[in-house]
Amino acid sequence: KQEVTQIPAALSVPEGENLVLNCSFTDSAIYNLQWFRQDPGKGLTSLLLIQSSQREQTSGRLNASLDKSSGRSTLYIAASQPGDSATYLCAVTNSNSGYALNFGKGTSLLVTP
Amino acid sequence: EADIYQTPRYLVIGTGKKITLECSQTMGHDKMYWYQQDPGMELHLIHYSYGVNSTEKGDLSSESTVSRIRTEHFPLTLESARPSHTSQYLCASKEGDSPYQETQYFGPGTRLLVL
Repeated sequence: KQEVTQIPAALSVPEGENLVLNCSFTDSAIYNLQWFRQDPGKGLTSLLLIQSSQREQTSGRLNASLDKSSGRSTLYIAASQPGDSATYLCAVTNSNSGYALNFGKGTSLLVTP
Repeated sequence: EADIYQTPRYLVIGTGKKITLECSQTMGHDKMYWYQQDPGMELHLIHYSYGVNSTEKGDLSSESTVSRIRTEHFPLTLESARPSHTSQYLCASKEGDSPYQETQYFGPGTRLLVL
């Protein structure tokens, strides 16, 4: 059974700092890895999707990397802003359960002005 | 922008009541999913559907049931709600048949409190 772990569970940084969120998974037979953002009382917003054959994806200030063989991914956020405060979820797609997502517990990020 | 809707957004009910959580999407996606999320915990898959008349149970055992009579509609029903059902329920849909490059789109969720 796929297990997804995210470190740290919570992070507080001052505005302007660069930061890294970590994700690891136990079964490397994945189709893709995704990073989502979850705001309180709202659903999930997809940030980046990395296919299993890819090494990284970038969108604006966000960069995600994938090392499938070692079961690791990182999300790099450059020049953090208070609006980045949210919970960041890592999820992988395996072949089971209709290609559903297997999620980590998330990293709760607080960016202070 | 994804168009996937869930109602109600918040629901407080008493034990033993029957409830239905609604989920609708206007994107014509075949695959739909229900996830359950307790506070501070990861999302767990409880039901999914490949398309009309297809329903499957997910990884997390759930006393709820689902139906898929129309492509755009995937309601979840609890016949007799209990306090242990208190949680957030998130609906999602996915386009196409490729598992590699297509993301899931999520609704805003329903927060359920059973007293």
